[in-house]
Amino acid sequence: NAGVTQTPKFRVLKTGQSMTLLCAQDMNHEYMYWYRQDPGMGLRLIHYSVGEGTTAKGEVPDGYNVSRLKKQNFLLGLESAAPSQTSVYFCASSYVAGSAQETQYFGPGTRLLVL
Amino acid sequence: QKEVEQDPGPLSVPEGAIVSLNCTYSNSAFQYFMWYRQYSRKGPELLMYTYSSGNKEDGRFTAQVDKSSKYISLFIRDSQPSDSATYLCAMSAGNYGGATNKLIFGTGTLLAVQP
Repeated sequence: NAGVTQTPKFRVLKTGQSMTLLCAQDMNHEYMYWYRQDPGMGLRLIHYSVGEGTTAKGEVPDGYNVSRLKKQNFLLGLESAAPSQTSVYFCASSYVAGSAQETQYFGPGTRLLVL
Repeated sequence: QKEVEQDPGPLSVPEGAIVSLNCTYSNSAFQYFMWYRQYSRKGPELLMYTYSSGNKEDGRFTAQVDKSSKYISLFIRDSQPSDSATYLCAMSAGNYGGATNKLIFGTGTLLAVQP
């Protein structure tokens, strides 16, 4: 049971380049999330998904797109990278039962540097 | 004003000390409260989870929630060098209308326990 995995671990991009970050979970969780973490800003939600085939915007969605074609995978895309997108990106997943809050489990993160 | 405020530290204590970490919040709808621990260059991991007001104890860790004051705390007894990490508080209003339980995070407090 690997939990939540993210690829790649580290990437350097030039301004204007595109890339896709992959998140995979093997816990059969319904909900998946993408966050970015910046110094002094904490974790901010970019996009999330409440199930296969669904996506929704979070707090800071501009410049990012996502897809959830399979339940276990959640992809985050940067179409045209900008230096402001330099950050550490975390994926998380949770299983929501009824109306109870469920724990979010985080991946190890992807460090992205945009030059 | 941020919805969740957390002193960023750093907080440095000697081994064996009692550590108190705190967060304040402004949204009275929050009813689920969590503490995550994040080691350097790792993803956050859930440490404590509390619903509504009250105390919860788990080994050396105690979480307290005071909804009347909109104030939550994490106490660490007999602190160890292995407790050195960033501690993030997080909270949500819970599931509503089928929408996801969006977690709002504090910015994190960096704790260093000196041997």
